[in-house]
Amino acid sequence: KNEVEQSPQNLTAQEGEFITINCSYSVGISALHWLQQHPGGGIVSLFMLSSGKKKHGRLIATINIQEKHSSLHITASHPRDSAVYICAPRDGGKLIFGQGTTLQVKP
Amino acid sequence: NAGVTQTPKFRVLKTGQSMTLLCAQDMNHEYMYWYRQDPGMGLRLIHYSVGEGTTAKGEVPDGYNVSRLKKQNFLLGLESAAPSQTSVYFCASSWHTDWQNEQFFGPGTRLTVL
Repeated sequence: KNEVEQSPQNLTAQEGEFITINCSYSVGISALHWLQQHPGGGIVSLFMLSSGKKKHGRLIATINIQEKHSSLHITASHPRDSAVYICAPRDGGKLIFGQGTTLQVKP
Repeated sequence: NAGVTQTPKFRVLKTGQSMTLLCAQDMNHEYMYWYRQDPGMGLRLIHYSVGEGTTAKGEVPDGYNVSRLKKQNFLLGLESAAPSQTSVYFCASSWHTDWQNEQFFGPGTRLTVL
């Protein structure tokens, strides 16, 4: 069983829809990162969180350490949000990466 | 600032050939990492460095060597390339491994071994 499971693996949405991507992990962690990988391949960090909720623009990330679960929400989705979203819990000094969720937002 | 850069962007090798991938960062980061990304799998850590002159093995180190002679550069070497090393390689850097520290990624190097 993978240490990090993301769901769904693939997601297609219409512009304007509210999107949720889930991440469950089995290891004990100190924090969790959400990353975005653009269609061209570049990877950028979206959030780092160890508890509660963080918001940046239309993106919201939540984490429940006890339940070993995190979610990434996108409000009012837009075609430019189309990308792969990667969950990466931090186990000690290292990140453990999920397989990613491929999101396509259609106009 | 250029951030994290990788050289080359693309490369095709024949089995048994050797090559070196160069990662450079201009943010004075202490920590640097090499990952590989394969279809259907998450990024996997190959080697990492916690400072100039130091290196350590990650999750999948076999077949690779690294060096960190200068703080700003982290080199990944393949001594005898194998088709199983066909992958996209990403370099990243950060101030520390503390959870508050973001990892900054390079654009990636797409390597094909025939």
